[in-house]
Amino acid sequence: ELKVEQNPLFLSMQEGKNYTIYCNYSTTSDRLYWYRQDPGKSLESLFVLLSNGAVKQEGRLMASLDTKARLSTLHITAAVHDLSATYFCAVGTGNQFYFGTGTSLTVIP
Amino acid sequence: NAGVMQNPRHLVRRRGQEARLRCSPMKGHSHVYWYRQLPEEGLKFMVYLQKENIIDESGMPKERFSAEFPKEGPSILRIQQVVRGDSAAYFCASSLYPNQPQHFGDGTRLSIL
Repeated sequence: ELKVEQNPLFLSMQEGKNYTIYCNYSTTSDRLYWYRQDPGKSLESLFVLLSNGAVKQEGRLMASLDTKARLSTLHITAAVHDLSATYFCAVGTGNQFYFGTGTSLTVIP
Repeated sequence: NAGVMQNPRHLVRRRGQEARLRCSPMKGHSHVYWYRQLPEEGLKFMVYLQKENIIDESGMPKERFSAEFPKEGPSILRIQQVVRGDSAAYFCASSLYPNQPQHFGDGTRLSIL
């Protein structure tokens, strides 16, 4: 079974700071997704990364994919309170999506 | 609302009863996925269906759990003889094609008394 590990699991950061969330996976895949989940809510698709070296940016979030290292990163620039949520990466292989355990991000004023 | 619709949002059952969770995919989507999420954990794949067919049920427990996606109507996840360990949030997702991002419903939170 493909394993997906995220770190850190919990992240508390001050507004205005930068940080990176890491997503490692155990088996070859060329599809990686990032989702955001607010408490008690569903998952919202943020990024789809489909090739080695892919980089996508939306606002203060930037995601990248290195398929050779089996690593994706989600970089947060100048964090604001609205970014507080749990972020999941998911790796697609065959018919399945394998989700990481999530990174719970809290942005402190 | 053209998104993925799940109902009910909350479901309470006593041990031994049956739970039926419904999911209507986004319009035009024929690929449906069910996931289970335990508190403070990620989502675990359960089953993938495409109209009238179960494509992959490798994540679903062998007993008491079943899923269907009939030609007409929503996809149903059915849990028979529920036990306390079935308490979780169950999410349904749909996609237009298998490899595209999945659109998630708001989930059904199942509580077993």
